[in-house]
Amino acid sequence: QKEVEQDPGPLSVPEGAIVSLNCTYSNSAFQYFMWYRQYSRKGPELLMYTYSSGNKEDGRFTAQVDKSSKYISLFIRDSQPSDSATYLCAMLVGNQFYFGTGTSLTVIP
Amino acid sequence: DTGVSQDPRHKITKRGQNVTFRCDPISEHNRLYWYRQTLGQGPEFLTYFQNEAQLEKSRLLSDRFSAERPKGSFSTLEIQRTEQGDSAMYLCASSLAPGPGANVLTFGAGSRLTVL
Repeated sequence: QKEVEQDPGPLSVPEGAIVSLNCTYSNSAFQYFMWYRQYSRKGPELLMYTYSSGNKEDGRFTAQVDKSSKYISLFIRDSQPSDSATYLCAMLVGNQFYFGTGTSLTVIP
Repeated sequence: DTGVSQDPRHKITKRGQNVTFRCDPISEHNRLYWYRQTLGQGPEFLTYFQNEAQLEKSRLLSDRFSAERPKGSFSTLEIQRTEQGDSAMYLCASSLAPGPGANVLTFGAGSRLTVL
């Protein structure tokens, strides 16, 4: 079993839709939870990171962590074509980062 | 500071050749990570440095792979006797430890390796 599981998609939604991206994990020692966005042939860029269970909001993006269920989510409101990318969840324990496989998202104008 | 720089962006080589990638992290960052990413997969940890010390290497890192960070600034990743299975994107990332900056990686654009 992988440390971090993420549905690879692909996910295709119309512009303006609410997008929900999810990851599950098995290691209860994970301390920090991150979401990265990666455009084709580019390096990942950090979108959000959080430490505790609950919600964290930044503009159109909301990150949600449920440590009891070992489940994290990223919600994108009012999705735009420019949101089309691969979204990677990542988790940190100690000095080690563990990444999901990424979910490919396409927002159709 | 323009972020994390990686060079070259794309390298095409023949099987059996050696290749070297360079990473220049954000100047004040003391931690530097190397990852490998293949199509449809997330970044896979290879190794990391704190200053010039290589603190951890993945068990997946074969003897053909070596990384250095001689002065605690830029780093190089060398792959000897390349194999077709080495074809991937090699990502470098840096962070600042200790403190909350250690929890966030800033990635470069990656170096794409194609082994023919």
